[in-house]
Amino acid sequence: AAGVIQSPRHLIKEKRETATLKCYPIPRHDTVYWYQQGPGQDPQFLISFYEKMQSDKGSIPDRFSAQQFSDYHSELNMSSLELGDSALYFCASSRLDSNEQYFGPGTRLTVT
Amino acid sequence: AQSVTQLGSHVSVSEGALVLLRCNYSSSVPPYLFWYVQYPNQGLQLLLKYTSAATLVKGINGFEAEFKKSETSFHLTKPSAHMSDAAEYFCALEEKAGTALIFGKGTTLSVSS
Repeated sequence: AAGVIQSPRHLIKEKRETATLKCYPIPRHDTVYWYQQGPGQDPQFLISFYEKMQSDKGSIPDRFSAQQFSDYHSELNMSSLELGDSALYFCASSRLDSNEQYFGPGTRLTVT
Repeated sequence: AQSVTQLGSHVSVSEGALVLLRCNYSSSVPPYLFWYVQYPNQGLQLLLKYTSAATLVKGINGFEAEFKKSETSFHLTKPSAHMSDAAEYFCALEEKAGTALIFGKGTTLSVSS
């Protein structure tokens, strides 16, 4: 079965640079979620989209933005990167009428 | 506000022993509850979920969990631990379908031979 695809899997950036993470949800899933997991931490919700509209917002810094496109894939744009942004970034997808979120393998971002 | 508390950041068991990972929740409405497992440098895999259909939920890899409303608990158990069960386990809550998951801090399970 198709799973959530995230790219890139690993990314190394320097402070103050920008990064773009991509997420391709499971086919026919209409909702995408982004989570950030710092080293040794639990995943923290950043933002979600339903049918290309932002549906919920969590602890996402103002330096970050995200959107969902017509093909339902989503991108998380991160600017003015800080050392503290180093983390695993997970994307999850679901159908709005389902309570089950399927997680991708994550993108490991390292800011140096 | 909703919250999830996992008691014990580290649990160590011997192979073949009972596994018990504790999770308590706080929610103003009946929540959906989940257990996820995370192996090193990998994503989150759903073990099982509670959605009010049955209080005893069976999941993959021999795990099960029991929802106890009176205790606001959703503890994860497995009768006999296997070496391959060593991983990080997260309990999570969802207030309603389509909303963000709220995770506990996680419990690291170690299994010794």
